[in-house]
Amino acid sequence: SYELTQPPSVSVSPGQTARITCSGDTFPKKYGYWFQQKPGRAPFLLIFKDIERPSGIPERFSGSSSGATVTLTISAVQAEDEAVYYCLSADNSNTPWVFGGGTKLTVL
Amino acid sequence: QVQLVESGGGEVQPGRSLRLSCAASGFIFSSYGIHWVRQAPGKGLEWVAVISYNGNNIFYADSVKGRFTVSRDNSENTVHLQMNTLRLEDTAVYYCASLIQMLTFWGQGTPVTVSS
Repeated sequence: SYELTQPPSVSVSPGQTARITCSGDTFPKKYGYWFQQKPGRAPFLLIFKDIERPSGIPERFSGSSSGATVTLTISAVQAEDEAVYYCLSADNSNTPWVFGGGTKLTVL
Repeated sequence: QVQLVESGGGEVQPGRSLRLSCAASGFIFSSYGIHWVRQAPGKGLEWVAVISYNGNNIFYADSVKGRFTVSRDNSENTVHLQMNTLRLEDTAVYYCASLIQMLTFWGQGTPVTVSS
């Protein structure tokens, strides 16, 4: 089975840029997705198909892909961005998904 | 709009069974697979199972294989997760989710507690 590797934690000051990576052999065959999760809430989709933003997601959230790594970049980090971020590898709704272990973003 | 609503969670003793349901609306249910994903307290997201749009392809995580069974009723727009021989480590919030036109949609989750 595939595994996706994320750093356990990332810390940044407000206004700085946070980058969270997700690596795994499943990329680039499958797309990368990024979710934000706050305590007691369901995961919230930020990025789909490696680089696409759903409507309503601020432009400061962006995704990129290079080889076996997808990256979530959060520009001009705000206190409200403090959360756990998960990556997902998926290509359609009919085959198994693989999640990364999650990255806790701390805004200093 | 797309809605996924889980139900059936609760507290159960080890070794017992529980059946979760996921009711869907707002999209062509019979065209999309449905996943179950769980999250143990303080832990990350764990993919559990998927049933394809027509029920012909079903996959399970190794941690639940042989104990959990997923099924769907396309006439009722519902997916079920039958969980047998439950273990303490199955304690989690269980979400149903789907990938529809490349976007993911999630329910709000239903909590399952396995405790003696």
